Amino acid sequence: DADVTQTPRNRITKTGKRIMLECSQTKGHDRMYWYRQDPGLGLRLIYYSFDVKDINKGEISDGYSVSRQAQAKFSLSLESAIPNQTALYFCATRGQGNTGELFFGEGSRLTVL
Amino acid sequence: GENVEQHPSTLSVQEGDSAVIKCTYSDSASNYFPWYKQELGKRPQLIIDIRSNVGEKKDQRIAVTLNKTAKHFSLHITETQPEDSAVYFCAASPSNFGNEKLTFGTGTRLTIIP
Repeated sequence: DADVTQTPRNRITKTGKRIMLECSQTKGHDRMYWYRQDPGLGLRLIYYSFDVKDINKGEISDGYSVSRQAQAKFSLSLESAIPNQTALYFCATRGQGNTGELFFGEGSRLTVL
Repeated sequence: GENVEQHPSTLSVQEGDSAVIKCTYSDSASNYFPWYKQELGKRPQLIIDIRSNVGEKKDQRIAVTLNKTAKHFSLHITETQPEDSAVYFCAASPSNFGNEKLTFGTGTRLTIIP
């Protein structure tokens, strides 16, 4: 089954540490996204990419960076993690064509102490 | 930018009854309105969407209505079942494809009481 896979699924780290969350997909989709989910705040867009050479900031990009290593891989980095970056992070993909459906990964829960 | 408000934040209904979740949006240019369901510990999944050229769309027990004049849209679930218990998110986008501008509501936790 074509899917969107995130690693790690859970991570606990300390303030100031560098963290990378990885996303890979076998759906063959061009468009990939990173969202952050916080209780009571819904899903907020951090970064998105339409292809390997295209990276765009979302609503809450400060403190984050991304890398699109290949069509199938999109990673999110926190250069120096801080406690208010504790959240559930989702990668998502979307294909071409007249559909708006996002396909989400299973999520990466990050705790920054 | 777009602002999407979603109400209520929590909703409990008896099994078999109907549930209604409402969202309002601010950007009159928005024309794509999806609804995502997130079961406990799972990823969000699209359950239904509507575009601005229609006022209502149904899929079995779920339906979405859209009032562009009033800038609000609603999710209706009839004959609720225990598996309907989840968090539901509405969203709005100013284009049919532009998920990069998809703004989500804050979510509604729906609990179905057996």
